[in-house]
Amino acid sequence: QITLKESGPTLLKPTQTLTLTCTISGFSLSTSGVGVGWIRQPPGKAPEWLALIYWDDDKRYSPSLKSRLTITKDTSKNQVVLTMTNMDPVDTGTYYCAHRGSGFDPWGQGTLVTVSS
Amino acid sequence: SVMTQTPLSLSVTPGQPASISCKSSRSLLHTDGRTYLYWFLQKSGQSPQLLIYEVSNRFSGVPDRFSGSGSATDFTLKISRVEAEDVGVYYCMQSVYLTHTFGQGTKLEIK
Repeated sequence: QITLKESGPTLLKPTQTLTLTCTISGFSLSTSGVGVGWIRQPPGKAPEWLALIYWDDDKRYSPSLKSRLTITKDTSKNQVVLTMTNMDPVDTGTYYCAHRGSGFDPWGQGTLVTVSS
Repeated sequence: SVMTQTPLSLSVTPGQPASISCKSSRSLLHTDGRTYLYWFLQKSGQSPQLLIYEVSNRFSGVPDRFSGSGSATDFTLKISRVEAEDVGVYYCMQSVYLTHTFGQGTKLEIK
C-alpha cells in the first residue's frame, strides 16, 4: 500500500523559508517511472501544482514559482523535500505531496501552512 | 494551458446522470500520441483522489458509473447515475506542457 505523509512547520512569518518533508512508504524513489509531486491548495480554492521529482532526479517546477522552489529527494530515507523561499501570506494553504504514477495518486493527508506576521 | 470547467456547481437527484466539461486553452495531445488529461474528486475534508487518467481510463477501484471522454481541448466527465457518495468538488488537470494545471473545480451536490 502506497502512503505519503507531509511534515513541516504550521506557522511562518513573511519572508521566512518553508521546508516540507514528504515521507513515503509502499514504493521506492529509485524505481523507474516513479515520481513525487508537491501540490498546494489555498483555503476554498483549486489545487496548484508546485514541483515534481522523478526517480532519475529529473525535476520540474511551476513556471510562476520556479525562482522560489527547490525539490530534492533522499532515496535512502524515503523522503522528498520541498523548500520555498520568501513566504508571503498568499502562500497560506494546505500543502500536499502525491505519488506520480498513472496520475497523482495517492495524495498525502496534507499539512496546513499559515503565513502571518 | 488554462483549464476551464463548467458548470462551477451542479445539483443532481440521486440516480440521475451528471456531466462536467473541461476545456483547455491548448491541445493536450502530446507528441507521444497520449493525451494527458486527468479527473480528481475531492470530498469534504479529504485529499483529492484520482478518478480518470489520460482522458478515459478509470483508476483502480473507481466505479464504472464514472467515465471520461474527449480529445485535444474538450473533455467531459460523466456520472451515469449519481450516488450520495459522489458529492464533492471535481477537478480536471493537464500535464502536457512540462507543468500541471488544474481547473477551478465543479461542486456536485445532491438534491
